[in-house]
Amino acid sequence: AQTVTQSQPEMSVQEAETVTLSCTYDTSENNYYLFWYKQPPSRQMILVIRQEAYKQQNATENRFSVNFQKAAKSFSLKISDSQLGDTAMYFCAFMTARYGSRLTFGEGTQLTVNP
Amino acid sequence: DTAVSQTPKYLVTQMGNDKSIKCEQNLGHDTMYWYKQDSKKFLKIMFSYNNKELIINETVPNRFSPKSPDKAHLNLHINSLELGDSAVYFCASSQEQSRYEQYFGPGTRLTVT
Repeated sequence: AQTVTQSQPEMSVQEAETVTLSCTYDTSENNYYLFWYKQPPSRQMILVIRQEAYKQQNATENRFSVNFQKAAKSFSLKISDSQLGDTAMYFCAFMTARYGSRLTFGEGTQLTVNP
Repeated sequence: DTAVSQTPKYLVTQMGNDKSIKCEQNLGHDTMYWYKQDSKKFLKIMFSYNNKELIINETVPNRFSPKSPDKAHLNLHINSLELGDSAVYFCASSQEQSRYEQYFGPGTRLTVT
């Protein structure tokens, strides 16, 4: 079974600063995908960034980047120049085609960006 | 143009009732999903359909029955609603060749009283 763990239930950061959200996962698969989703108060699930396990290069999307450590099964999200609109619940998620491409989510980290 | 839509967005009903949540996607995707988000915000897969065929059926009570009349629709019917069914239900869709891109609907908040 695949499991995803986010050990930080809540985090806060000052506007314009950098914050890192942690995620670890457990799997015996070699080919898989990892994701960070953002859920603002509107409850819409928004894909922030995606990483393919076969790629060594860390994914980057504007102010969002990941630190993917495959051997350690770690997948952290770094948000640079934090903005008030980044305030949301952030979910780490795992997917492998073997299990019907279901997303397995972590417990979530509530991020609050303070002015 | 809404990619994945759900109706209703809010549903308040009493225990024992039967209700349905509808989902439609206009992305031309062939795979659709239902996820449940509980009161602690934990998200978990319930069902998945590919080309109208059930491919994922997690440990969900028989009171929950998904129905896919065509590739663009995946409805969720719930019989004999219980207090514990209160949650937010998300529909999502993807294309088989690129299943790593799942698009989510806005969610339906179900409250059972």
